[in-house]
Amino acid sequence: GESVGLHLPTLSVQEGDNSIINCAYSNSASDYFIWYKQESGKGPQFIIDIRSNMDKRQGQRVTVLLNKTVKHLSLQIAATQPGDSAVYFCAENRKGNQFYFGTGTSLTVIP
Amino acid sequence: EAQVTQNPRYLITVTGKKLTVTCSQNMNHEYMSWYRQDPGLGLRQIYYSMNVEVTDKGDVPEGYKVSRKEKRNFPLILESPSPNQTSLYFCASSLTGQGRNSPLHFGNGTRLTVT
Repeated sequence: GESVGLHLPTLSVQEGDNSIINCAYSNSASDYFIWYKQESGKGPQFIIDIRSNMDKRQGQRVTVLLNKTVKHLSLQIAATQPGDSAVYFCAENRKGNQFYFGTGTSLTVIP
Repeated sequence: EAQVTQNPRYLITVTGKKLTVTCSQNMNHEYMSWYRQDPGLGLRQIYYSMNVEVTDKGDVPEGYKVSRKEKRNFPLILESPSPNQTSLYFCASSLTGQGRNSPLHFGNGTRLTVT
């Protein structure tokens, strides 16, 4: 199938800095996007979602930005903490009930 | 606590020996799905279910079966496992099958090794 997410494989940030994780999607018909966090030995955990009629959505310390023109999604994490170290990946919803997932970016927070 | 529960967490088996991985959710979700996660490939959908007695193939259904006799349970069955089914499997559920404003909630995974 089509690939979701041209992720950088790894990202290292200093504790307290802001992190930006990017994701590119290929299907312009996708209308719902989610960011997940996956820690070692655990299942993916929902972080934040956004619909295609929005450009930005904020949660607690996280912001998702959606640029439909270039089919790009980003996750911003403010004041990154050691507990934020994990793999992050985006998911796009294309056909109502099927999600397609990127391969993920591994975030390492340096104390 | 709202959750998706998979069992077992780890499973080692031999080629051809039938196995079942159970999945249960306590959130009254209509939609349930199975994924496998392999290095460099991300999560790929095996089967999904929109509701009781309604199941459909995902992107990689070959070698797998599912059933949805009750709303809360969605077992994954491997009738004759092969080594290429060695993977990390995740069950997920969401409130509705439409996917809009309805994120997937995942279990903690089952690591299957087929020798």
